[in-house]
Order: sequence, then structure tokens, then C-alpha cells
Amino acid sequence: SQTIHQWPATLVQPVGSPLSLECTVEGTSNPNLYWYRQAAGRGLQLLFYSVGIGQISSEVPQNLSASRPQDRQFILSSKKLLLSDSGFYLCAWSSRENTEAFFGQGTRLTVV
Amino acid sequence: QKEVEQDPGPLSVPEGAIVSLNCTYSNSAFQYFMWYRQYSRKGPELLMYTYSSGNKEDGRFTAQVDKSSKYISLFIRDSQPSDSATYLCAMWGAEAGTALIFGKGTTLSVSS
Repeated sequence: SQTIHQWPATLVQPVGSPLSLECTVEGTSNPNLYWYRQAAGRGLQLLFYSVGIGQISSEVPQNLSASRPQDRQFILSSKKLLLSDSGFYLCAWSSRENTEAFFGQGTRLTVV
Repeated sequence: QKEVEQDPGPLSVPEGAIVSLNCTYSNSAFQYFMWYRQYSRKGPELLMYTYSSGNKEDGRFTAQVDKSSKYISLFIRDSQPSDSATYLCAMWGAEAGTALIFGKGTTLSVSS
């Protein structure tokens, strides 16, 4: 069966510090991978998606970037965090048929 | 007009009640419709998945899709306190883009 791992679960970082969140998927090949951010009262905002290694599409211009160095690994990064980057970050995967998506348990990021 | 509209609630019902959760959408290209349940501080989990119009039943849960009205519903029968969560609708279509589009979620509270 497929599983998705996302870490860390909680992170507190100072403004201006770098960020690296990692997500890996097991039990499937060539998944579509996604990074979402969920802010209170604002629903799920798609940040990045990837249909293959090195292929990243950005949905919202901002202080974040994403990379996919391996087929089942997706990384969310920032060089300098802003207060507004605080939120609940979710990684997700879907099959190539791109129907339902499956989520990791999320990372709650607080920028102080 | 947002692509997917969902009343955020909160919705409070007594145990045993029938709950109706709804979303409307504007993009007629959506073909796949999903409901996710999200407990506090956790990632969303897929609850129901429906293709095109019609009904789908799974235990106490029934999903309905009316493409002519661009309206989807989730019914929960005999609601339980463990059903207290945020419910997000999501949808996708091959001509609507790569990633799922989510509603903002409805917060449900079932009291015993």
C-alpha cells in the first residue's frame, strides 16, 4: 500500500531563517506531488505541484520554492522566512490518472 | 466568483442527527468529486470519491453529485461525536488543471 511521510510535524523558526520541509511517498511510482498551505479560514492553497523529477509548477508567487530531486521526494524550501509564511503545510500525492489525492500529516510552521 | 464555494459553518448538531454538507462550483470541466475529513492538526483524509453525477453510499455516508446544478452534497446519517471535524469538498477535471480544487471546508461539531 502507498504511504506518504512528511516531517517535521511542528517547526518554530525565526524570521529570516531558512526552511526545508521534506515529503516522501512509498509504494507507488511516478506520482504527481503537491505542496499545499492551509491558513485558518482560508482553505487549502496550492503552492507547487510536480508531475516528474525536476518538473515544478508554481501556483502562487511567494517566498517559497520547491524541488523534486527524486521520483518520490518533494522538498519545500525558503531562503529567508517571513512572518506571513506561518501556516500548516501539507504534502500530497496522486496517481498519474490524477483523481483523488492523498495527504501527509502536515507540518505546522510558526515563524517568530 | 470563486471556483468552489463551501459554507464554513460552524455546524453544530446533536448525536444521531442527519448532517448535510454542500458545495457549489462554477467550472463545468470538473468530473471527479471528493470529500475529505480533517481532524484538528491532522492532514485531510479521503472520505468519499465520485465520478460524474449520481450517488455513492459508504456506511453512514452518502455523496451526491448534480452536475446540471453544479452542486455536490455529503450526507452523514446517525452522526456521532467522532464525526466532529472539518469536511472539505474537492474536485478535478482533465480540462480544469492539474491539481484538485478545494472548498474552504465546513466545521462540524456533533454533541453527545
